Amino acid sequence: EAQVTQNPRYLITVTGKKLTVTCSQNMNHEYMSWYRQDPGLGLRQIYYSMNVEVTDKGDVPEGYKVSRKEKRNFPLILESPSPNQTSLYFCASTADRGNEQYFGPGTRLTVT
Amino acid sequence: EDQVTQSPEALRLQEGESSSLNCSYTVSGLRGLFWYRQDPGKGPEFLFTLYSAGEEKEKERLKATLTKKESFLHITAPKPEDSATYLCAVGGNTGKLIFGQGTTLQVKP
Repeated sequence: EAQVTQNPRYLITVTGKKLTVTCSQNMNHEYMSWYRQDPGLGLRQIYYSMNVEVTDKGDVPEGYKVSRKEKRNFPLILESPSPNQTSLYFCASTADRGNEQYFGPGTRLTVT
Repeated sequence: EDQVTQSPEALRLQEGESSSLNCSYTVSGLRGLFWYRQDPGKGPEFLFTLYSAGEEKEKERLKATLTKKESFLHITAPKPEDSATYLCAVGGNTGKLIFGQGTTLQVKP
């Protein structure tokens, strides 16, 4: 089954404790993105990658890092999480940036 | 600056009462306009892609249309299971996907 998977689905952590949210897709897509979704602000792009070893900032990259060492994986790293990064996070992939994106199930992160 | 505005923010319909959702956009070099459906706590689910003005696409009770400035998602004779948040997004020359804030639709039986 073609899908985007994210782990963990739920995470509660404390300020400053480094964490990684994994994202994997099995569709051989070149383009992958990370979004955060907040009430009243909608979906906002954090980072995106157009291919292996190619990443670029989205609209809200501060406080986040990404890497793209393999085509299928695109982890999101929070080196020192803060409470304002409490949000619902989605990973997405697409074959080409002009095509529809397929979203993962989401990771709900709470930073206390 | 690429921008997407959706209206209304919320819409309540009776089952069978047809209506339309609006998505107004400005984008540098439209590569695609996308409609998604999102259920609470879940990832957006792809519905349609429109590439050029005049294009229309249909799926069951949903029909999406596109002009140079806006897109409409028409819902014909909706059912309670159509209740969800509908998201519009545009992709332009920047390579980014810009989302609107969505329209939350509630269909009452």
